[in-house]
Amino acid sequence: EADIYQTPRYLVIGTGKKITLECSQTMGHDKMYWYQQDPGMELHLIHYSYGVNSTEKGDLSSESTVSRIRTEHFPLTLESARPSHTSQYLCASSDPGLAESSYNEQFFGPGTRLTVL
Amino acid sequence: KNQVEQSPQSLIILEGKNCTLQCNYTVSPFSNLRWYKQDTGRGPVSLTIMTFSENTKSNGRYTATLDADTKQSSLHITASQLSDSASYICVVSDRGSTLGRLYFGRGTQLTVWP
Repeated sequence: EADIYQTPRYLVIGTGKKITLECSQTMGHDKMYWYQQDPGMELHLIHYSYGVNSTEKGDLSSESTVSRIRTEHFPLTLESARPSHTSQYLCASSDPGLAESSYNEQFFGPGTRLTVL
Repeated sequence: KNQVEQSPQSLIILEGKNCTLQCNYTVSPFSNLRWYKQDTGRGPVSLTIMTFSENTKSNGRYTATLDADTKQSSLHITASQLSDSASYICVVSDRGSTLGRLYFGRGTQLTVWP
């Protein structure tokens, strides 16, 4: 089982609040990712990082921001939450490995279910 | 455009029965294909992974097949159990980016009834 953690698991907040979703992994992986997933829909990449001090925006435009100060930590922040941000947020990490079959193997955290009222 | 399509969207079967889920993809250049199981409210967990040269891979009661020529994959579940109730997601990785971009299907929601 992958050692990747997300907190909180569930969050209900009011519009305009600032929130930070935490993600930590103990596998020493360089690459980390944030995905957004709505019910019955595919995962959409919103942010990724190749390593410390590296962050990039993903395919889906998001008003959130991320930081990567330490290898194991990849928090996501919303400065002013809105109802349109209601979704499940999944964090993942990967390490290229030596074998082709392990290349891009992403290990997912349990997710944070965010509801903005 | 790189896409991953899954069918059926949802499926209900009785405990003990077998079922097969389908995945078609247009991702190119192809690197590998994974099937993930996602329980409600949880993150996806990898079941199988296949590269271009592999056409079948088993993991317990789960057997995945891959036809790289037709760009199709299937996941066969044998002797289903109540705990198999989950969303099964087909994920294809391309070879063309250093990021290792993943393309996700929308999943097949499987419900196993007693």
